[in-house]
Amino acid sequence: GQQVMQIPQYQHVQEGEDFTTYCNSSTTLSNIQWYKQRPGGHPVFLIQLVKSGEVKKQKRLTFQFGEAKKNSSLHITATQTTDVGTYFCAGGGGKLIFGQGTELSVKP
Amino acid sequence: NAGVTQTPKFQVLKTGQSMTLQCAQDMNHNSMYWYRQDPGMGLRLIYYSASEGTTDKGEVPNGYNVSRLNKREFSLRLESAAPSQTSVYFCASSELRGISYEQYFGPGTRLTVT
Repeated sequence: GQQVMQIPQYQHVQEGEDFTTYCNSSTTLSNIQWYKQRPGGHPVFLIQLVKSGEVKKQKRLTFQFGEAKKNSSLHITATQTTDVGTYFCAGGGGKLIFGQGTELSVKP
Repeated sequence: NAGVTQTPKFQVLKTGQSMTLQCAQDMNHNSMYWYRQDPGMGLRLIYYSASEGTTDKGEVPNGYNVSRLNKREFSLRLESAAPSQTSVYFCASSELRGISYEQYFGPGTRLTVT
């Protein structure tokens, strides 16, 4: 069945450093979504990408969808302590397949 | 708007006991989902309901049953709990808006089976 792999599993950065998480699918995706889960919280939707090669920005966050629609990335510029949490990618339509998530910790 | 609500927040069960996790949404969404979250495993879909009156299995349905009681409510039942079902359970709902399937999650139920 369809699989969505996400790397790295953990990332520890110093505040102000950049952070990137990568998502790869075994099959072509119709769209990809990104969610953030704060420690002890629930996943919260960040963004959806639909088009091949699409790039979207939200302040310090940059999301990319690969040309073949099989991979995606989330890049955070100059991390802050408020960025702490686990970032998940999820592929598919109404029934999403989630990656394992990347847990980001930020040292002040 | 409360969004998606789940009860209970925490539960401890003994092996073999049964329980029902409740979920309700007030956003008039057609689709509802049950996920479990285990360390390093991401979110795995247990069951989903594309619309009122329909349910379908997800990735890990064994040991669970669901009921879509009405458009608002979607419950998850563990008939005979096992330690392997210790997890955090999230309910979610969504509605197709254009091409967006953004899912809204409830706060979760932390279940321990001893």
